[in-house]
Amino acid sequence: GNSVTQMEGPVTLSEEAFLTINCTYTATGYPSLFWYVQYPGEGLQLLLKATKADDKGSNKGFEATYRKETTSFHLEKGSVQVSDSAVYFCALANSGGSNYKLTFGKGTLLTVNP
Amino acid sequence: DTAVSQTPKYLVTQMGNDKSIKCEQNLGHDTMYWYKQDSKKFLKIMFSYNNKELIINETVPNRFSPKSPDKAHLNLHINSLELGDSAVYFCASSQGPNSGNTIYFGEGSWLTVV
Repeated sequence: GNSVTQMEGPVTLSEEAFLTINCTYTATGYPSLFWYVQYPGEGLQLLLKATKADDKGSNKGFEATYRKETTSFHLEKGSVQVSDSAVYFCALANSGGSNYKLTFGKGTLLTVNP
Repeated sequence: DTAVSQTPKYLVTQMGNDKSIKCEQNLGHDTMYWYKQDSKKFLKIMFSYNNKELIINETVPNRFSPKSPDKAHLNLHINSLELGDSAVYFCASSQGPNSGNTIYFGEGSWLTVV
C-alpha cells in the first residue's frame, strides 16, 4: 500500500536559517505529492504540490521537487521566519478514481526562534 | 468566504452521547471527505463521497455514519461516543477523485469526550 515517511521532529531553527524537511514515499502507479501546513490551533492549508516527476512546487519561499528516482519530495526554504512555525505534513494522493485520497506522513513540528 | 466550513469548531460532550458535525463547501466540488487527526497529529481518511455516493469507507466503527444530502454537504454523525473518539475531525473537498486534484480542508472540529 501507499505510505509516506517524513523526518521526525521537532525541528528548532533560528530565524533566517535554512530549512529541509525530508519526505520519502512508497506508492503504486503515479502519485501526486503535496505539502500541507498546520499553524497552531488551525486547519490544514495546502503549501505546495507536484503532480509528476521532476515537477517543482513552490509557494511562500518554500520549494519541493518530485524525485521519482529517489521517491522523495523534500521541503526546503532558504530563510525561515518566526511565522513559519507550524506542523508540516507531506502527503501523497494515488492515481485517482474511486479510491482517491491523501495518505499523510506523521508531520514535522517546526519551531523558529527569533 | 470560507471555502470548506464545518461546525461546531469545538465540542465537549459526555461518553455515550450522540453528536453531529456539519460540513459545507462552496467550491462547487463533487467530492467530499472526512479525515481524523489523533492526539499525535496523525491524519487518516475516514470516508469519501463523490456526487453524494459513498466511495471510500475505511475501517471505521459503525457508530460513525456520514450523510451527504447534496454535493455541497457532508455531515458526520457519531453514536455512543467513547473516550477514544476524542480527536480533531477535518472535512475536505476536491473537484473530483482525479489524480492531482488538490484536496481543500476545513478548519477542523475539536471533539473532546469526557
